[in-house]
Amino acid sequence: DIQMTQSPSTLSASVGDRVTITCRASQSVSKWLAWYQQKPGKAPKLLIYKVSTLESGVPSRFSGSGSGTEFTLTINSLQPDDFATYYCQQYNSYSTFGQGTKVEIK
Amino acid sequence: QVQLVQSGAEVKKPGASMRVSCKASGYTFTDYYIHWVRQAPGQGLEWMGWFNPNGGSTNYAQKFQGRVTMTRDTSISTAYIHLTSLTSDDTAIYYCAREAEALGIWGQGTMVTVSS
Repeated sequence: DIQMTQSPSTLSASVGDRVTITCRASQSVSKWLAWYQQKPGKAPKLLIYKVSTLESGVPSRFSGSGSGTEFTLTINSLQPDDFATYYCQQYNSYSTFGQGTKVEIK
Repeated sequence: QVQLVQSGAEVKKPGASMRVSCKASGYTFTDYYIHWVRQAPGQGLEWMGWFNPNGGSTNYAQKFQGRVTMTRDTSISTAYIHLTSLTSDDTAIYYCAREAEALGIWGQGTMVTVSS
């Protein structure tokens, strides 16, 4: 199974900050990497798929990059609505989620 | 609009089985794979497998093989997940999700509690 490791597990930030979350795969997942946002009591919401393609309706302050085994989610100018938990997911071989990164208010 | 609506919360005894349904609307049910993902209380997301409503093929996570079955009733555009031999470790919210580009549409989740 492909393991996905996110860092950090928790991130404290302020409104307006630029935030970066990293996701590393135990083996190459090619371009099959997605990012989700989840708020308490809600289902996850797809933000980005195929490493860097923004899902329709997702603000452009979210961006994704990377290849192979190392990927990054960047949020430019963090907004109040962005405080949530973020998950990466590989869907190259079966599927696996990272353990999540909680973005909290500093 | 496109949506997935899941069945209500369940409480099960250890050793029992569960079945959660996921009714699709707003699109052609057989055109998209359905994935099942669960989330234990306070924990992260765990992928359980996918199901192809067009033909019924499946791909289960190794952890659940032998204990999980994913099926569908195309006449009512509904997917099901069936999990047997439940233990307290299976207490979780179970989500269905539609695969288009990754998992773009999610059900609201179904809480399954396993308790004696």
